Amino acid sequence: GEDVEQSLFLSVREGDSSVINCTYTDSSSTYLYWYKQEPGAGLQLLTYIFSNMDMKQDQRLTVLLNKKDKHLSLRIADTQTGDSAIYFCAEKGAGGSYIPTFGRGTSLIVHP
Amino acid sequence: DTEVTQTPKHLVMGMTNKKSLKCEQHMGHRAMYWYKQKAKKPPELMFVYSYEKLSINESVPSRFSPECPNSSLLNLHLHALQPEDSALYLCASSQAQGSRDEQFFGPGTRLTVL
Repeated sequence: GEDVEQSLFLSVREGDSSVINCTYTDSSSTYLYWYKQEPGAGLQLLTYIFSNMDMKQDQRLTVLLNKKDKHLSLRIADTQTGDSAIYFCAEKGAGGSYIPTFGRGTSLIVHP
Repeated sequence: DTEVTQTPKHLVMGMTNKKSLKCEQHMGHRAMYWYKQKAKKPPELMFVYSYEKLSINESVPSRFSPECPNSSLLNLHLHALQPEDSALYLCASSQAQGSRDEQFFGPGTRLTVL
């Protein structure tokens, strides 16, 4: 089955850039997503990228996709304390299934 | 309206109680999902309803019983739960068509079973 891997923790200083990495195994992935979960809350879709793109930028967020290496990253510029949360990478394969596979989540801690 | 709402926000129940979790969306989505999430873990899929019919049951114990009364509502009926069922229960919805089809999540119900 599909597998999505993420490192568990990332600690950065406020104002620095954060880079959260994700690798996946499904070569038929069509869409890849980044979700943010703040403590005690549900998952919020931050951004997504289609598999035929290699980069997508949305304000402070930059998503990079290396399809050959099956590697996805999320860069947050000028990281703020409000960005502290768990970030989940998710991928959806081809074949009409609309059920994404989630990674274990990366806990981002932003220090003042 | 781009929101998925869930009630209650918190629920404490004993092992002999019967309770229900509710989820509602008004985005015209035709797929709705229940997930269970333990602390520091990703959400685990429990059930999927597509066009108001149960399409996926991920081998969930029968003490959890889903119901989809109409295209906007999703319930999860709980009976004779165990303490290990304590978790955050998330509802999500999606269009159920098109390859992008991202899921929109509700805020969750924090369930504690005593």
